[in-house]
Amino acid sequence: DAGVTQSPTHLIKTRGQQVTLRCSPKSGHDTVSWYQQALGQGPQFIFQYYEEEERQRGNFPDRFSGHQFPNYSSELNVNALLLGDSALYLCASSLISREAFFGQGTRLTVV
Amino acid sequence: GDSVTQMEGPVTLSEEAFLTINCTYTATGYPSLFWYVQYPGEGLQLLLKATKADDKGSNKGFEATYRKETTSFHLEKGSVQVSDSAVYFCALSDHKAAGNKLTFGGGTRVLVKP
Repeated sequence: DAGVTQSPTHLIKTRGQQVTLRCSPKSGHDTVSWYQQALGQGPQFIFQYYEEEERQRGNFPDRFSGHQFPNYSSELNVNALLLGDSALYLCASSLISREAFFGQGTRLTVV
Repeated sequence: GDSVTQMEGPVTLSEEAFLTINCTYTATGYPSLFWYVQYPGEGLQLLLKATKADDKGSNKGFEATYRKETTSFHLEKGSVQVSDSAVYFCALSDHKAAGNKLTFGGGTRVLVKP
């Protein structure tokens, strides 16, 4: 059983560009959450999707948006990239209100 | 809002030493509490959890007790191994499981030397 898979594992973008990160949840899971982990810090909650709708949102600007597809996979989009967006982006999947399982993350570097 | 504070690292220990990582929290209501571990180059793995006051979570020799009176959830292990070298995160959720929003502490890096 594949766990949570994220793609790509690494990418480098230029300031002002847009980026899309992808997440496939663990089999049977219906909820996907996204976190940003800056270097040397704890993960910060971005938002959570359930039934293709944004269910909760953290303190992130509108440049951060997401989507959940009918097969429960999810995308995180970040527009107008800033140097400060450089971080490890973690996806976590779960059944709603149950234990979350994390993927390996996508390392985004903005130059 | 909710917050988690944990001791800063790095914590450097010799193999078979006793490990304690302090964690305190601020939350409205009665959160669930978690410890996650992150090995180099990997995502987060749930280490243990506790969902109500006085619950003790345990796994792989690690233990933590949910202390409501001191709003703490300190992680302990009696005899660490080199393989325990990792970053440990304390976290809380405002629901009884981690499927909802998790609030993390800043992490504590642990280095165990042979």
